[in-house]
Amino acid sequence: DTAVSQTPKYLVTQMGNDKSIKCEQNLGHDTMYWYKQDSKKFLKIMFSYNNKELIINETVPNRFSPKSPDKAHLNLHINSLELGDSAVYFCASSPSQSIWRQGSTTPLHFGNGTRLTVT
Amino acid sequence: TQLLEQSPQFLSIQEGENLTVYCNSSSVFSSLQWYRQEPGEGPVLLVTVVTGGEVKKLKRLTFQFGDARKDSSLHITAAQPGDTGLYLCGSGNTGKLIFGQGTTLQVKP
Repeated sequence: DTAVSQTPKYLVTQMGNDKSIKCEQNLGHDTMYWYKQDSKKFLKIMFSYNNKELIINETVPNRFSPKSPDKAHLNLHINSLELGDSAVYFCASSPSQSIWRQGSTTPLHFGNGTRLTVT
Repeated sequence: TQLLEQSPQFLSIQEGENLTVYCNSSSVFSSLQWYRQEPGEGPVLLVTVVTGGEVKKLKRLTFQFGDARKDSSLHITAAQPGDTGLYLCGSGNTGKLIFGQGTTLQVKP
């Protein structure tokens, strides 16, 4: 009965490789996100999709390409991996992007993260 | 762009002690959420505060929203080892939730 699940949990790869992380949510939410958490634990938004449409792209290098085949899935493909890509990547979902207005009490639901290590 | 600053960044205390962590912004929050992240897991919502001056309690945790809605605090009474984790404040802005850099709390038995 996991709400937001992402795979794999750990990913170790060499520089220059291409890898993908998958995310699925069974909450019926319209909006999904990818966040990156660096070694200092800072959690920064990368992308947001609403009903399969890209709505937020936070100046992420174009080596990162999100894909949403349907509103329950948001995958992240990374080309030509670099050392600096090493981080924990979190998928999250919310009922809609418009919840971030005054008075909203709706939480963001996170997956348990994918720890990517580039060697 | 709204920036959230949390302090302290690290806190290591003994079981039974009290502590307060802070979240501040240069601009007004529309609302503010506090999350706790345990090792190997994603952040989980603790509380949302919306109204200036609001105080919410969750067992031994007390959350306060500043009158001007530019700051918030989280106070833990009689901390337990189970309180160990990363505490994040987040605020909604233009369709996304942005976070402070977090406070890492370690409670030693």
